[in-house]
Amino acid sequence: AQKITQTQPGMFVQEKEAVTLDCTYDTSDPSYGLFWYKQPSSGEMIFLIYQGSYDQQNATEGRYSLNFQKARKSANLVISASQLGDSAMYFCAMKKGSQGNLIFGKGTKLSVKP
Amino acid sequence: GAGVSQSPSNKVTEKGKDVELRCDPISGHTALYWYRQSLGQGLEFLIYFQGNSAPDKSGLPSDRFSAERTGGSVSTLTIQRTQQEDSAVYLCASSPVVGGGWTEAFFGQGTRLTVV
Repeated sequence: AQKITQTQPGMFVQEKEAVTLDCTYDTSDPSYGLFWYKQPSSGEMIFLIYQGSYDQQNATEGRYSLNFQKARKSANLVISASQLGDSAMYFCAMKKGSQGNLIFGKGTKLSVKP
Repeated sequence: GAGVSQSPSNKVTEKGKDVELRCDPISGHTALYWYRQSLGQGLEFLIYFQGNSAPDKSGLPSDRFSAERTGGSVSTLTIQRTQQEDSAVYLCASSPVVGGGWTEAFFGQGTRLTVV
C-alpha cells in the first residue's frame, strides 16, 4: 500500500535562510509522482512542485527544489531564501501511476521568523 | 476559466441530519478526489473517481458516507445521520490525465461542515 510520512510536525526557520522539509514514501509501484502543496492559514491548497519517479534530475521551481533520492524513497522539499509569506502547512503527496489515487502525508507546519 | 467549485462553503447541521456536499470539477478533468481535513490535521483520503472506472472508495470511514459522480462531471458527497466527529473541512480536487506523465490536482476552497 502507498504511504507518505512527514516526520516534522513543526519547523522554524529564520527569514532569508534555507529550510528542508522531509518526506519519505513507500510504494512497490515503479511508476509514481511526488507532489508538494502549501496550505496557508486561509486554507487554500497551492501546488508547488512535482517529481516523476523516472525523472533523472531533481525538480526546481523558483525558490523550491525537490531533493529526490529514489533509493532512500525520500522527496524532501528545499525552500531557499525563506520569506515571511512561506509560513504555512506543507504537504507531501504521492500519486501511483498517471491514473492512480493521490494520498497525502500529515504535513509540516513551517514558521518563518523575522 | 473557472476552477474547482464547492458548495456550500459553510454548512451547519444538527446531529443526525443528512448533508450533501457538491463539487464541480474543472471542465475536462477526468479525475476527482474527496478529502476530509480536521482542524490542524492532514488530508484524509475519502474517495477517488477516474473516468468511467469504478471509484476507489477505500477511504470512506463508514457506511454513512457515500459519493457519486454524474456524467463524469459533478460529484456529490453525502453524509447520512451526521455525527459531531464528522465536523471538518471537506476538500474536493480534480485533475486531468496526462498520458505517460503526471499533473497536479487542483483544489476547491472546501466546505466547512459543523455538526451541532
